[in-house]
Amino acid sequence: DAGVIQSPRHEVTEMGQEVTLRCKPISGHNSLFWYRQTMMRGLELLIYFNNNVPIDDSGMPEDRFSAKMPNASFSTLKIQPSEPRDSAVYFCASSLVRVDTDTQYFGPGTRLTVL
Amino acid sequence: AQKVTQAQTEISVVEKEDVTLDCVYETRDTTYYLFWYKQPPSGELVFLIRRNSFDEQNEISGRYSWNFQKSTSSFNFTITASQVVDSAVYFCALSEAGWTNAGKSTFGDGTTLTVKP
Repeated sequence: DAGVIQSPRHEVTEMGQEVTLRCKPISGHNSLFWYRQTMMRGLELLIYFNNNVPIDDSGMPEDRFSAKMPNASFSTLKIQPSEPRDSAVYFCASSLVRVDTDTQYFGPGTRLTVL
Repeated sequence: AQKVTQAQTEISVVEKEDVTLDCVYETRDTTYYLFWYKQPPSGELVFLIRRNSFDEQNEISGRYSWNFQKSTSSFNFTITASQVVDSAVYFCALSEAGWTNAGKSTFGDGTTLTVKP
């Protein structure tokens, strides 16, 4: 079975540009999570969805960040405009939340560099 | 509020040594789940184990073993006869049960393990 798929794997952009990161969760999973990882702040949860509905976006740093999940098999994280401090690895994870299981499975990450 | 503490920031051992990574958690819930993930130098996050709060049985998987003790709120991870390929950052995580949080997990800051040949 395919795992969580993220694209692109690497993105280099200039300050002020719009960046869109994409995620395809594991088929059948009902929850999706976006994380950001930096040396300074570690692994931070940005936002998560359950059944395509955003549940908690309190981790989104500011209005420049937005996330959508139009259907069960696709989500995007957009940064507009991007800034150098947004440089990080962005992970998407999905899980099947039931009574007895909720393990998150992570994608390979997108390494974002904002110049 | 949930909290996961991995007090060891970095550990360095020589190959074939045993090493234990500590994880202490805080939660008010009686039902919760604990996880360990491995992040090798390649960067991906690999799921290792999940344990629910009602199962305090220790688990062994090859050279890996986990010791869950509710009395001390700890879920420690031991690697026996460590190998260079075990070098990675290891994360402990906690998830509270229930539908409202949709499986949201709190992660520790990670322990960087370096195994030298």
